[in-house]
Amino acid sequence: GENVEQHPSTLSVQEGDSAVIKCTYSDSASNYFPWYKQELGKRPQLIIDIRSNVGEKKDQRIAVTLNKTAKHFSLHITETQPEDSAVYFCAASFNDYKLSFGAGTTVTVRA
Amino acid sequence: DAGITQSPRHKVTETGTPVTLRCHQTENHRYMYWYRQDPGHGLRLIHYSYGVKDTDKGEVSDGYSVSRSKTEDFLLTLESATSSQTSVYFCAISLRHTSGASQETQYFGPGTRLLVL
Repeated sequence: GENVEQHPSTLSVQEGDSAVIKCTYSDSASNYFPWYKQELGKRPQLIIDIRSNVGEKKDQRIAVTLNKTAKHFSLHITETQPEDSAVYFCAASFNDYKLSFGAGTTVTVRA
Repeated sequence: DAGITQSPRHKVTETGTPVTLRCHQTENHRYMYWYRQDPGHGLRLIHYSYGVKDTDKGEVSDGYSVSRSKTEDFLLTLESATSSQTSVYFCAISLRHTSGASQETQYFGPGTRLLVL
């Protein structure tokens, strides 16, 4: 099955700086890559996703890039704010119905 | 919240007892999932369903069974709970998003916190 590795496991950034989280996947057939944000005690919520026919996607301060050749994808958060503090999960899917998740990155934004 | 509810939201039980968790959805989605979340492991798929009475195993299915007798309910049963099954359990559904996110995105329920003593 698909194996997704996520780095780093924790990330501390100064407010206003950028944060980058990287994930690698093992199955070259994977074609769908969502990112979820989970605040303490809450459910994971989708923040952005990308398909394998697209190299980059942006939504305001967040962006995701995909390198199919290297089998890795990254989440970029610019101008970080305290409300960006959360656990972020990447995931990969080789069909649209089953996701394999990374272990998560705890992001802390320092004021 | 995509119309997903989970019950109970919290449960404490003893080793060896059976436990059933319920996931309920109101919007007739075909695909439903059960995940467990543990520190350092992210979200791991236990079982999923692609229709009434159609289910399949995920990566951590040992010790768990599921049933789906109607579209709106997906039940997860721990036949004989063990301490290693202490976890937070999330149900999810898969739906086609009409704006923003891509199709067949998964959305999660609020979770059930289970403690097995």
